[in-house]
Amino acid sequence: GENVEQHPSTLSVQEGDSAVIKCTYSDSASNYFPWYKQELGKGPQLIIDIRSNVGEKKDQRIAVTLNKTAKHFSLHITETQPEDSAVYFCAASLFDGGATNKLIFGTGTLLAVQP
Amino acid sequence: NAGVTQTPKFRVLKTGQSMTLLCAQDMNHEYMYWYRQDPGMGLRLIHYSVGEGTTAKGEVPDGYNVSRLKKQNFLLGLESAAPSQTSVYFCASSRSLPIHGGGYTFGSGTRLTVV
Repeated sequence: GENVEQHPSTLSVQEGDSAVIKCTYSDSASNYFPWYKQELGKGPQLIIDIRSNVGEKKDQRIAVTLNKTAKHFSLHITETQPEDSAVYFCAASLFDGGATNKLIFGTGTLLAVQP
Repeated sequence: NAGVTQTPKFRVLKTGQSMTLLCAQDMNHEYMYWYRQDPGMGLRLIHYSVGEGTTAKGEVPDGYNVSRLKKQNFLLGLESAAPSQTSVYFCASSRSLPIHGGGYTFGSGTRLTVV
């Protein structure tokens, strides 16, 4: 089955610095990779996603890169701000052509942006 | 514009008691999911549904049952609660398969403690 590993588990950066979170997946058939942000006491919220036919996607200060050969993808946050502090989850979806539609999540990264 | 609503938000159960967690979505989404979130383990899929009247097992289904009698509702039941089921439970829904643009919308969670 699919397995998603996420590193680091905690990350502390100074405001204005960049933050990078990395994930690896085990199943080469995975083809969709979303990232979620979870603020304290709330449910996860989709912030960016990438499909396997794309190597990089950017949305303002956040970007995601995908290396299919190495089976890893990363979240990059530039010019970090205190409101970026949250838990970030990566996920991989296995689409087998049938009705299965499941996201397998990483274990999360607690990002703390120090003002 | 409620999105995904989970009730209750908090609950304390005694070992052996039963309860039902309710998830309701007003977006006419086809797919619904129940996840549990535990420290250091990320989000793990309990059960999911690909449409009204359907249910399927996820990664950690033991001790839980689900029903999807109406498209907008997905119920998670604990027949005989155990301390190992102490967790935060999240419901999510999606319009379509992620590869077709169906990102997950999460509820705000139910914090369950079994004593």
